[in-house]
Amino acid sequence: DSGVTQTPKHLITATGQRVTLRCSPRSGDLSVYWYQQSLDQGLQFLIQYYNGEERAKGNILERFSAQQFPDLHSELNLSSLELGDSALYFCASSLRQGANTGELFFGEGSRLTVL
Amino acid sequence: QQQVKQSPQSLIVQKGGIPIINCAYENTAFDYFPWYQQFPGKGPALLIAIRPDVSEKKEGRFTISFNKSAKQFSLHIMDSQPGDSATYFCAASIMSGYNKLIFGAGTRLAVHP
Repeated sequence: DSGVTQTPKHLITATGQRVTLRCSPRSGDLSVYWYQQSLDQGLQFLIQYYNGEERAKGNILERFSAQQFPDLHSELNLSSLELGDSALYFCASSLRQGANTGELFFGEGSRLTVL
Repeated sequence: QQQVKQSPQSLIVQKGGIPIINCAYENTAFDYFPWYQQFPGKGPALLIAIRPDVSEKKEGRFTISFNKSAKQFSLHIMDSQPGDSATYFCAASIMSGYNKLIFGAGTRLAVHP
């Protein structure tokens, strides 16, 4: 158990809809990362937050947005969903105060299916 | 320059064999090179990692070889077991850059009994 919690585990929705994925980081971790894993593809970095502020942006579509709240949990919002958005979305956390090992701890992912 | 290239895409070995997975990078600012292991239905988990000041690191049956001048690193699994069957990802990051990991495309390893 990595200590990172993601909900929901599975989500089925229709094209054009909007969904929110939630992530609770490991206790004490200040940074949250979102990754997308499509079929037969690697882990694509989407966005990173550190202590509530956006720190890095990757290949995140304009239809997607994220935020990190004061209690450090994070939400990834996906809107105007398309078939191609079907994927596993992983959240990871890292960076405890004063302790940077470089390791990211991943949740078990949220599997999104767009029909 | 942010890419990490990984090969092969898939690998099949017999139990006891030594699968080798290779990765290459371009950004010389990368200073942390981990390998993650992912089982079906699970999130990736850190297997072993290396910093560029050493050329090899071994943890149990897993070894990373690192060639800084060639900008390449590889994972060797000694005496592979069926339980090692998983997808393996190499990655790279700049530790002072808030640890954003850039992953390779992954290698699906199957170890047959």
